[in-house]
Amino acid sequence: NAGVMQNPRHLVRRRGQEARLRCSPMKGHSHVYWYRQLPEEGLKFMVYLQKENIIDESGMPKERFSAEFPKEGPSILRIQQVVRGDSAAYFCASSPSVLNYGYTFGSGTRLTVV
Amino acid sequence: TQLLEQSPQFLSIQEGENLTVYCNSSSVFSSLQWYRQEPGEGPVLLVTVVTGGEVKKLKRLTFQFGDARKDSSLHITAAQPGDTGLYLCAGAETSYDKVIFGPGTSLSVIP
Repeated sequence: NAGVMQNPRHLVRRRGQEARLRCSPMKGHSHVYWYRQLPEEGLKFMVYLQKENIIDESGMPKERFSAEFPKEGPSILRIQQVVRGDSAAYFCASSPSVLNYGYTFGSGTRLTVV
Repeated sequence: TQLLEQSPQFLSIQEGENLTVYCNSSSVFSSLQWYRQEPGEGPVLLVTVVTGGEVKKLKRLTFQFGDARKDSSLHITAAQPGDTGLYLCAGAETSYDKVIFGPGTSLSVIP
């Protein structure tokens, strides 16, 4: 499967725990984007990364959220000390170049904070 | 702040009918994209339009980019139940900007 792979598909965390969401981009894609989607809403941009660099994190909450895309391995979106308001679907997308002519999305991770 | 608006928010039609959904903004976009998202899945790219006035066809779907590159429409001819889903428009101010998404039009095609 050469698509964007996200895992886990579903993640349940208690308030105060940490959530780690993983994204492996399509083969040959070096640009990764994370979006968050709440029920009945569109996708909200969070962060744009290239290998080892954060390019645009203007959509990331200032506290508790961080993202990385290391030289080797998947991109990670990390949420520390989760709260109920963090419950959402988190989608990762990738593209082969900086030109935004279309993204390939993964199937998402559905985070539920209890 | 760039904003994309979509209308209608919800649309329920009978199989075989035609429909048009709209995407509007006060900003000029370098490109606009349309995606379809099914429940529990990520959005799937349908088309990208980059030139003002451009029209693209994808089987029964026709996409148009406004002349001023501020709006776009998606027309579906003879809708089928398989067209059911959330249709999202998305755009970027420049070719290098992040893509922002509209809130979507939820389409239900009843057999």
